[in-house]
Amino acid sequence: AQSVTQLGSHVSVSEGALVLLRCNYSSSVPPYLFWYVQYPNQGLQLLLKYTTGATLVKGINGFEAEFKKSETSFHLTKPSAHMSDEAEYFCAVSPNFGNEKLTFGTGTRLTIIP
Amino acid sequence: DADVTQTPRNRITKTGKRIMLECSQTKGHDRMYWYRQDPGLGLRLIYYSFDVKDINKGEISDGYSVSRQAQAKFSLSLESAIPNQTALYFCATSDWTGYTDTQYFGPGTRLTVL
Repeated sequence: AQSVTQLGSHVSVSEGALVLLRCNYSSSVPPYLFWYVQYPNQGLQLLLKYTTGATLVKGINGFEAEFKKSETSFHLTKPSAHMSDEAEYFCAVSPNFGNEKLTFGTGTRLTIIP
Repeated sequence: DADVTQTPRNRITKTGKRIMLECSQTKGHDRMYWYRQDPGLGLRLIYYSFDVKDINKGEISDGYSVSRQAQAKFSLSLESAIPNQTALYFCATSDWTGYTDTQYFGPGTRLTVL
């Protein structure tokens, strides 16, 4: 069984400030981990994913996430927020043999304060 | 042109009506998925299909059925719609590479059942 917990359904940061979106997972097997972004009135778009290898993963638009097995976490960060980052972000987990049962978190809505 | 398209984009229907949501993809992927998104609940898997002859129930399949007419087409039906099926529905596709899978989402269909 697997699950994802995203801490904070709403996060607000000032433009130029650090973005930190938290994701903790539970998985009975080594996981694959994903972050997706959903812009208003659009479908989900993959930001980045962790499969194996390097635990610091870089994605699109300046985002990155670090897989920390000891903390069962996969937090998403961006050093400097931009207005265009305003969206909803979803963390997701799957077993590491194929993601036919991709399990999503409940999402975090990111608001950027000008 | 979008790789994953969904029709209709918006639909309002009445309780008890039969409705079909359609999904088409030009990515050439074998795997297709249907999710529903509800505020505060994230995305939940309804059905998934690994190829034309392989269809599987997801987390919340009750009240829904699907048809995989071709590799590129995957339809979701509500035989007798009810108000708690009001949600945003997403189709997704993925291509199994042997060790990981990335899902690509359509723009969504907003369904309202009165």
